[in-house]
Amino acid sequence: DAGVTQSPTHLIKTRGQQVTLRCSPKSGHDTVSWYQQALGQGPQFIFQYYEEEERQRGNFPDRFSGHQFPNYSSELNVNALLLGDSALYLCASGRDGLINSPLHFGNGTRLTVT
Amino acid sequence: AQSVTQLDSQVPVFEEAPVELRCNYSSSVSVYLFWYVQYPNQGLQLLLKYLSGSTLVKGINGFEAEFNKSQTSFHLRKPSVHISDTAEHFCALQGGGFKTIFGAGTRLFVKA
Repeated sequence: DAGVTQSPTHLIKTRGQQVTLRCSPKSGHDTVSWYQQALGQGPQFIFQYYEEEERQRGNFPDRFSGHQFPNYSSELNVNALLLGDSALYLCASGRDGLINSPLHFGNGTRLTVT
Repeated sequence: AQSVTQLDSQVPVFEEAPVELRCNYSSSVSVYLFWYVQYPNQGLQLLLKYLSGSTLVKGINGFEAEFNKSQTSFHLRKPSVHISDTAEHFCALQGGGFKTIFGAGTRLFVKA
């Protein structure tokens, strides 16, 4: 049973460019959340998707957008990249309806903006 | 607003010694509390969770934590650590929404 998978594992982009990160949730899971983890810090919530809709968003600008597909996989898009967007981006999946169920994390995508 | 404060950024300890990683939280609503561990170049794995009931919860790898509502704390403990426990540990809470709020992390460093 595959866990949460993310691609790519590493990415280098230039300021101003756009990037798309991908996530496949654990089998049986239907929610996908995205987190940004800057170096030396805890993960910060970006948003959560359920039933192909964004249902909660953290304190991130509109440059950060996402999508969830019918098979529950998800993409995170970041436009107009800034140096400060350099971070580990983590995808976490869960099952809606399970009250406060813990998250299952992928290994992340390391994004470097130069 | 909700928040999680991990009181120590690093905790060095000798192998087979006991350890405590401290976590305080703030919330105006009831919360559910978690400890996650992150090994280098990996995502986060759940160590244990407190949802309700007994305030002492046991998790994987010999870790346990105690929920203290009056002190708004959820400290993580292990009676005897191993070299393999060296990792970043995160305290987290859920309450009043779908997001999980994480602390800044405590690096547990086990020395031989």
